[in-house]
Amino acid sequence: EAGVAQSPRYKIIEKRQSVAFWCNPISGHATLYWYQQILGQGPKLLIQFQNNGVVDDSQLPKDRFSAERLKGVDSTLKIQPAKLEDSAVYLCASSLAGGLAGTDTQYFGPGTRLTVL
Amino acid sequence: LAKTTQPISMDSYEGQEVNITCSHNNIATNDYITWYQQFPSQGPRFIIQGYKTKVTNEVASLFIPADRKSSTLSLPRVSLSDTAVYYCLVGDIRGLTGGGNKLTFGTGTQLKVEL
Repeated sequence: EAGVAQSPRYKIIEKRQSVAFWCNPISGHATLYWYQQILGQGPKLLIQFQNNGVVDDSQLPKDRFSAERLKGVDSTLKIQPAKLEDSAVYLCASSLAGGLAGTDTQYFGPGTRLTVL
Repeated sequence: LAKTTQPISMDSYEGQEVNITCSHNNIATNDYITWYQQFPSQGPRFIIQGYKTKVTNEVASLFIPADRKSSTLSLPRVSLSDTAVYYCLVGDIRGLTGGGNKLTFGTGTQLKVEL
């Protein structure tokens, strides 16, 4: 079974530039998550999709971050404009049931390491 | 948010049992507890998940007391390859619509296993 795919793996940009990350979840997984992991910290949930609807985006900085999941499969996360404090690893995860049960397993991709100069 | 607290680091030797505890005092009724392992430059990997009492699988056990305000991950007979960061994740997998806490990772425990 193929895992969660993310691209690019690494990205270096200057502040005020824009950047986009792509995620392809495991086939058949209804729920997709984007996390931000700053060096030395645990992942922080940015947004959670159930199919192509948003379940939770309460910690997404909406003035600069946006995410979409068209057709309930792939997803993109965009930052515009980027700030120095956005330097982090952006992790995508997917799970099978998500909203259908209280218990579920998230499968994580390798992440995209973003450096903002 | 389900605030979680873990020890920053732990040291062990090969063959020993390791117990890592996570405190989550404001856990909600609909929240589950999940533990993940993370190696450098990789995404977290699922270890075990539970709601109450004890859960065991082929790699670990999870102990959750009746009040559910803490949980303990038990790794039997660790090896060098178990050196990693371990995170507890607490929250309602259904998100805010489920009525529980949003998914919150702990700060992580760096486990170092030596010969």
